Amino acid sequence: EPEVTQTPSHQVTQMGQEVILRCVPISNHLYFYWYRQILGQKVEFLVSFYNNEISEKSEIFDDQFSVERPDGSNFTLKIRSTKLEDSAMYFCASSGGRLEAFFGQGTRLTVV
Amino acid sequence: AQSVTQPDIHITVSEGASLELRCNYSYGATPYLFWYVQSPGQGLQLLLKYFSGDTLVQGIKGFEAEFKRSQSSFNLRKPSVHWSDAAEYFCAVGAPNTGFQKLVFGTGTRLLVSP
Repeated sequence: EPEVTQTPSHQVTQMGQEVILRCVPISNHLYFYWYRQILGQKVEFLVSFYNNEISEKSEIFDDQFSVERPDGSNFTLKIRSTKLEDSAMYFCASSGGRLEAFFGQGTRLTVV
Repeated sequence: AQSVTQPDIHITVSEGASLELRCNYSYGATPYLFWYVQSPGQGLQLLLKYFSGDTLVQGIKGFEAEFKRSQSSFNLRKPSVHWSDAAEYFCAVGAPNTGFQKLVFGTGTRLLVSP
């Protein structure tokens, strides 16, 4: 069964460092998303991406964040200068239409 | 804007007993509705979804949910809970006709299964 794959599963970084979280969406999907879940809180939408551009972003997704689909298969989330409050589980998702999103296993980001 | 309320933070159910997890949503029309399950350290797995049509939807692992427009609810049910069902359950809503399927999640309900 096709699945969304995220790497790494866990990333520890120092405050102020740049991190790149990687995702391989399901191959024939066209819509891509990043969500995050701070420990003990609900899952929050960050950004959606379609046709090589951002289609919607939340207030959380400020100038420190960027997304890219560099090679037609990977979908990345970059945080330019990490803060302690960026510590969270980050989920990538993809969908083939506009309806059902499939989620990856997540990357746990710990900023120290 | 859409919002989702899951009023129960924790629920404990005996193995073999029935389960109902509550979900209420706020949206001006009929939204798309989803239930996801998250096992410890795992990602989000889709249990079932409602887009239109029959208001009782069947999902994986023996789960079902019923959309009740009059109550703005989409409660998740299972007739007989297994120990492996212990997990966190999230209700989510998506807005039709918005072009891209951003999901708004509830705060989740943690299900504990007692022997």
